[in-house]
Amino acid sequence: SYELTQPPSVSVSPGQTARITCSADALPKQYAYWYQQKPGQAPVLVIYKDSERPSGIPERFSGSSSGTTVTLTISGVQAEDEADYYCQSADSSGTYSVVFGGGTKLTVL
Amino acid sequence: EVQLVESGGGLVQPGGSLRLSCAASGFTFSDHYMDWVRQAPGKGLEWVGRTRNKANSYTTEYAASVKGRFTISRDDSKNSLYLQMNSLKTEDTAVYYCARGDSGYDLQSGNYYYYMDVWGKGTTVTVSS
Repeated sequence: SYELTQPPSVSVSPGQTARITCSADALPKQYAYWYQQKPGQAPVLVIYKDSERPSGIPERFSGSSSGTTVTLTISGVQAEDEADYYCQSADSSGTYSVVFGGGTKLTVL
Repeated sequence: EVQLVESGGGLVQPGGSLRLSCAASGFTFSDHYMDWVRQAPGKGLEWVGRTRNKANSYTTEYAASVKGRFTISRDDSKNSLYLQMNSLKTEDTAVYYCARGDSGYDLQSGNYYYYMDVWGKGTTVTVSS
């Protein structure tokens, strides 16, 4: 089955740059998307189509793609960025079922 | 304001049934695909399934874990999405979110895209005896 692999955790100090990766064999053919989820809240879309940022999302959030890996970069991390981050793509086998990565807990030290 | 509000969650015994609802407002509901996503306690997000819009014949898809037990439907006249859950198992215990889908083909890249740009706050389903 199609899987997206993320590191379980990433830790950075305030003001530093956090990078969260997501990898899968089908990613060069399918876009990736990123969601932020804070405790007790619903997910929020922060990046779509690998690198596009929805309106209202701070410019410090960016996305990039290289081969089979996509990366969410948060520049100048703030305490409020501490959250779980999930990548998402679509299974390209035909029905385009949604697939989520396992999630990465971002800790701001 | 674009909004999705889920309801219908609760405690149900294994083998039982439950119907969740999602009320949409602030956008043209009938134009959009709609999804259900769930999150078990302390776990990650799991896609449950989707319904396409009228232009795409309201076709549905489901995750393997719920196929044959769960049914997604919609009533565009009421701006509402539903999730009928039958033969519930303890592992179906989760917060269930409805989400608005945005889909299409990017002509420049040739890639299909599908993501969820609006989410409800979720409703909790507990399956326990």
